Amino acid sequence: SQQGEEDPQALSIQEGENATMNCSYKTSINNLQWYRQNSGRGLVHLILIRSNEREKHSGRLRVTLDTSKKSSSLLITASRAADTASYFCATQRYNTNAGKSTFGDGTTLTVKP
Amino acid sequence: NAGVTQTPKFQVLKTGQSMTLQCAQDMNHEYMSWYRQDPGMGLRLIHYSVGAGITDQGEVPNGYNVSRSTTEDFPLRLLSAAPSQTSVYFCASSHLGLAGVNTGELFFGEGSRLTVL
Repeated sequence: SQQGEEDPQALSIQEGENATMNCSYKTSINNLQWYRQNSGRGLVHLILIRSNEREKHSGRLRVTLDTSKKSSSLLITASRAADTASYFCATQRYNTNAGKSTFGDGTTLTVKP
Repeated sequence: NAGVTQTPKFQVLKTGQSMTLQCAQDMNHEYMSWYRQDPGMGLRLIHYSVGAGITDQGEVPNGYNVSRSTTEDFPLRLLSAAPSQTSVYFCASSHLGLAGVNTGELFFGEGSRLTVL
């Protein structure tokens, strides 16, 4: 089964609002990544947080990681219509397949103008 | 920089046909991988490579072959296509970091959408 599970599966908000997506996983990890996928396109890496980090920021993105709860959240502040996309978390364990990234099922975010 | 280039973007096959999906990257990445994405699901790893001449299986390797003769290219071969292989295929690459694992920052191609009738 997939390592990561995103919640909610779908999220619809108004432009300017904040969007929060959650990711839960089952086993210990070395790091967790978030990716964005626009419709019909490839995935784009957004941010990586290591297992010894608790929070990380990149522009309007804020990622938290709670290894005790095996969960992460991605917050997009002041959302824009261009943020409409699917967002995936991926976990990485260095001792598995040269550190393969295992992806969740994704959250589909719709930002209404 | 072109990044990761996949061809073809779309392909329709009949059951039993074979074909090769091409992937090339110009970032001198050691690590290359193939994933498949099925509707409403995340990505599942098919095969990966940590350098020329070195390949290994991922989660769902059955029905697929790969080779890595150069750093730049990592083709995926479907030996005898089946309807269950209808999917969108993504090639992804990254540098290798410490301990010989990918750095976790994967660069993806735009995908190859395959339909098997």
